Amino acid sequence: NAGVTQTPKFRILKIGQSMTLQCAQDMNHNYMYWYRQDPGMGLKLIYYSVGAGITDKGEVPNGYNVSRSTTEDFPLRLELAAPSQTSVYFCASSYSTLRGSYEQYFGPGTRLTVT
Amino acid sequence: RKEVEQDPGPFNVPEGATVAFNCTYSNSASQSFFWYRQDCRKEPKLLMSVYSSGNEDGRFTAQLNRASQYISLLIRDSKLSDSATYLCVVNRGDYKLSFGAGTTVTVRA
Repeated sequence: NAGVTQTPKFRILKIGQSMTLQCAQDMNHNYMYWYRQDPGMGLKLIYYSVGAGITDKGEVPNGYNVSRSTTEDFPLRLELAAPSQTSVYFCASSYSTLRGSYEQYFGPGTRLTVT
Repeated sequence: RKEVEQDPGPFNVPEGATVAFNCTYSNSASQSFFWYRQDCRKEPKLLMSVYSSGNEDGRFTAQLNRASQYISLLIRDSKLSDSATYLCVVNRGDYKLSFGAGTTVTVRA
């Protein structure tokens, strides 16, 4: 199993450009998440999905969009990039354990700089 | 008030020492708890889950105090490789997790 994969690893965008961050998982997890992590801060939830065709906003969704057409893939779209979107983006997936918890497994992250 | 609060540290300890730190959570309905480890510029990785009063995994011991709403992590016989940021993570019973900002531990030779 590759687990959770993300591409690209690094990207520099100019203000106003758009891009899509790719995320895929091969663990057949229903739940997938996008987070951003700014220096010295905790992870903030951008969007999440409970299954193919179902997505919902997290804490900080403005400036982002997602889609979930398959169980495996959960791309994050940035429209009109702004310097405030400079961050490290992590994708994660999870499943419901027998204990009813949702341990999450993370991809390696995408470091995005907007200048 | 933040949902999950941690002492950011850093905790600088010599090899072989014991280090312990806490995390507090605000939602009394929280159901399950985790410690994740994050190395510099890497993704968080699950270190251990804490389901009841606590559990032990090798040199790592996690304790949960529901009455006071805190979780602790203790590392015995610290190794250089234990240097990392430790994230306290709380599950409220749904499929979303709340992450603390992390406690940095540096183990020196």
